[in-house]
Amino acid sequence: DTEVTQTPKHLVMGMTNKKSLKCEQHMGHRAMYWYKQKAKKPPELMFVYSYEKLSINESVPSRFSPECPNSSLLNLHLHALQPEDSALYLCASSQRVGSGSPLHFGNGTRLTVT
Amino acid sequence: QKEVEQNSGPLSVPEGAIASLNCTYSDRGSQSFFWYRQYSGKSPELIMSIYSNGDKEDGRFTAQLNKASQYVSLLIRDSQPSDSATYLCAALNAGKSTFGDGTTLTVKP
Repeated sequence: DTEVTQTPKHLVMGMTNKKSLKCEQHMGHRAMYWYKQKAKKPPELMFVYSYEKLSINESVPSRFSPECPNSSLLNLHLHALQPEDSALYLCASSQRVGSGSPLHFGNGTRLTVT
Repeated sequence: QKEVEQNSGPLSVPEGAIASLNCTYSDRGSQSFFWYRQYSGKSPELIMSIYSNGDKEDGRFTAQLNKASQYVSLLIRDSQPSDSATYLCAALNAGKSTFGDGTTLTVKP
């Protein structure tokens, strides 16, 4: 069982919809991440939160809006997405940014934009 | 040049053989290195981490790091069909993990 839980597992949305992806971890980690992964490609970093503050934004379009309500929760708000945004969205956590600790991934949300 | 490069696949080995996966990185500031395994349709899972030069063994897996050569490798001994997956090499620097494109391994019974 993964210790990083993502919901929903699958999401289909239209280009005018607003939806949110949710991620929760209870490992006491203080760093949380959003990655995007297209088929047969490696995970691509989107955002990094360190102690609930956004520390890295990899020039992600504003139609993706992250939020970290507390140390255990991470959300990704989606609005006016494009079909090319269809991908597997992975949440991950680690002990601390810069601690050298590995990433613990959730099972991902498979997003389809129609 | 990609920041993290892995040997091109796919790699196919017979059951019981040794599978050898290789990775080079360009950022000398990287200090931590990881191997993740990703089954088709699933998320990556950590199988090995290595931080200092030399070998690190964990069961059938051995990771090797050579910082001077900027080279990381993973050996899988006694390969099993259940090892068939894509293996991702990652280098960590300044809070960012950079992944290679992955090597897809198939272990044939």
